[in-house]
Amino acid sequence: SQTIHQWPATLVQPVGSPLSLECTVEGTSNPNLYWYRQAAGRGLQLLFYSVGIGQISSEVPQNLSASRPQDRQFILSSKKLLLSDSGFYLCAWKRPWGGFEQYFGPGTRLTVT
Amino acid sequence: AQRVTQPEKLLSVFKGAPVELKCNYSYSGSPELFWYVQYSRQRLQLLLRHISRESIKGFTADLNKGETSFHLKKPFAQEEDSAMYYCALFSGGYNKLIFGAGTRLAVHP
Repeated sequence: SQTIHQWPATLVQPVGSPLSLECTVEGTSNPNLYWYRQAAGRGLQLLFYSVGIGQISSEVPQNLSASRPQDRQFILSSKKLLLSDSGFYLCAWKRPWGGFEQYFGPGTRLTVT
Repeated sequence: AQRVTQPEKLLSVFKGAPVELKCNYSYSGSPELFWYVQYSRQRLQLLLRHISRESIKGFTADLNKGETSFHLKKPFAQEEDSAMYYCALFSGGYNKLIFGAGTRLAVHP
């Protein structure tokens, strides 16, 4: 069966510090991968998605970047965090064919102080 | 533009009352729609999809293309239904889901 992991679960970082959040998927090959930010009252905002290694599409211009160094690894990064980067970050995967639904990880709660 | 609208941020009902969580969409093609649910301290998970016409945990949702709606309904709410509900539209051309802002359902005893 397929599983998706995210870490860390929670993170408190000062303004101006770098960020690296990791997401890995097990039990499937060549998944589509997604990063979302979940904000209260604003739902889920798609930040990045990837259909293959090294292929990243950005949805919203911002202080964040994403990378996919391996088939089942997706990383969300920032060189210098802003207060507005605080939020709950979700990673999701989807089969590359034959289905539409996405499967979500447990999320990372990021607080920028 | 592709968009999903959930007009209610909070829906508060008593146990046993009917529930309808509203969802409207804007999409030029044939839509693929979903309802996701997030219970307290649990990860976001798929509740149901319109193409399978299924009933999950007593919930149903019917696609109304004329009204561009995909409302989620349950005839008798239970306390364990309290959660955050998101309506989502699959954007095939961009291989992604577009989510509404979500509705928090609170079922009181």
